[in-house]
Amino acid sequence: DQQVKQNSPSLSVQEGRISILNCDYTNSMFDYFLWYKKYPAEGPTFLISISSIKDKNEDGRFTVFLNKSAKHLSLHIVPSQPGDSAVYFCAASYGGTSYGKLTFGQGTILTVHP
Amino acid sequence: EADIYQTPRYLVIGTGKKITLECSQTMGHDKMYWYQQDPGMELHLIHYSYGVNSTEKGDLSSESTVSRIRTEHFPLTLESARPSHTSQYLCASSDRQGDNSPLHFGNGTRLTVT
Repeated sequence: DQQVKQNSPSLSVQEGRISILNCDYTNSMFDYFLWYKKYPAEGPTFLISISSIKDKNEDGRFTVFLNKSAKHLSLHIVPSQPGDSAVYFCAASYGGTSYGKLTFGQGTILTVHP
Repeated sequence: EADIYQTPRYLVIGTGKKITLECSQTMGHDKMYWYQQDPGMELHLIHYSYGVNSTEKGDLSSESTVSRIRTEHFPLTLESARPSHTSQYLCASSDRQGDNSPLHFGNGTRLTVT
């Protein structure tokens, strides 16, 4: 059973607009959530995270929102840039990431058009 | 910036061969991990280590084995490669326990078994 789901395989956005990537989870034990970005032929790179005690975390152009009751989180990128084009993975863990046992979604391919 | 290195980047090998995928990190991180990813799919944890002489199996069953003789080195071995082992293998490391430090990934090894 897939505990972390990214239901949109791809997303296409115009440069300067907002990109919204979504992620749903089923395991209520998860208390820490992360977003990773992955370019082709490279490993995933950490982007932003959020603890379950918060509902929003912001870092520059990137904001992650967490809705615990809906078991849903989203990543907002404003404004989107062509360099943001990559695969975005949502991941979750319990007990903090100190154990590194992350459960990943399948990823969403974001394409930002100039 | 994380320094974690994986070799080789690409490997094509015949069925029945023994292979070792190398992973090294220069950050002195105690925790290291191996994730496996098939194209378009989520990453799955197959092995992890919390320190020297500590290794555990992850959530996804794998026929591979790992060792952790030195802090900086976490190689993965397949005694007899099979086509079902064709996948991308990603090594990662993270900082000490209790700290919500995210995983730092290497660029991966793409393995093809013919």
